[in-house]
Amino acid sequence: EAGVTQSPTHLIKTRGQQATLRCSPISGHTSVYWYQQALGLGLQFLLWYDEGEERNRGNFPPRFSGRQFPNYSSELNVNALELEDSALYLCASSETGYSGYTFGSGTRLTVV
Amino acid sequence: GDSVTQMEGPVTLSEEAFLTINCTYTATGYPSLFWYVQYPGEGLQLLLKATKADDKGSNKGFEATYRKETTSFHLEKGSVQVSDSAVYFCALLSGGSYIPTFGRGTSLIVHP
Repeated sequence: EAGVTQSPTHLIKTRGQQATLRCSPISGHTSVYWYQQALGLGLQFLLWYDEGEERNRGNFPPRFSGRQFPNYSSELNVNALELEDSALYLCASSETGYSGYTFGSGTRLTVV
Repeated sequence: GDSVTQMEGPVTLSEEAFLTINCTYTATGYPSLFWYVQYPGEGLQLLLKATKADDKGSNKGFEATYRKETTSFHLEKGSVQVSDSAVYFCALLSGGSYIPTFGRGTSLIVHP
């Protein structure tokens, strides 16, 4: 069974540009979660999608947005990039939260 | 609100030493508790979980017991290996919630 896949692995952008990150969940998982892991800050919850709908979002500005497609894959968009957006962005999927998440390997976003 | 507190790292041990990483939590109701591990350059992997008081989760020689009376879920391993070097995250999921709360992570370094 394929795990959660994220692309690209690394992404370098200039301040002010837009970044698009992609995630494919485990087959059969309808929920996708996005987290930001900045250095020294642990995991910060960004967004939760389920059945194509945004169900919850963390304490991040509106320039962080995303969507979930009919095949349950998801896209995270970050507009007007700032230097402090540099982080590892992790996607996770779950069948039910109580069974635990399965995480992808992440996309390392560097803003210069 | 829910919170998870982990001991500060890094924890540095010699191979075959005994490991304890402390985790305490604050939550309403009866949360499920998890330990995740993040190896260098990778995403998080579910290590073990416990869903009710006095449950013991175990995997790969690691154990943690859900202690409701002390609101703790300490991670232990009797004999660590160099390959256990990673960052360990404690997390909880409250009943009725779909978004787990993570601790800040504890880095473990095991020397030969």
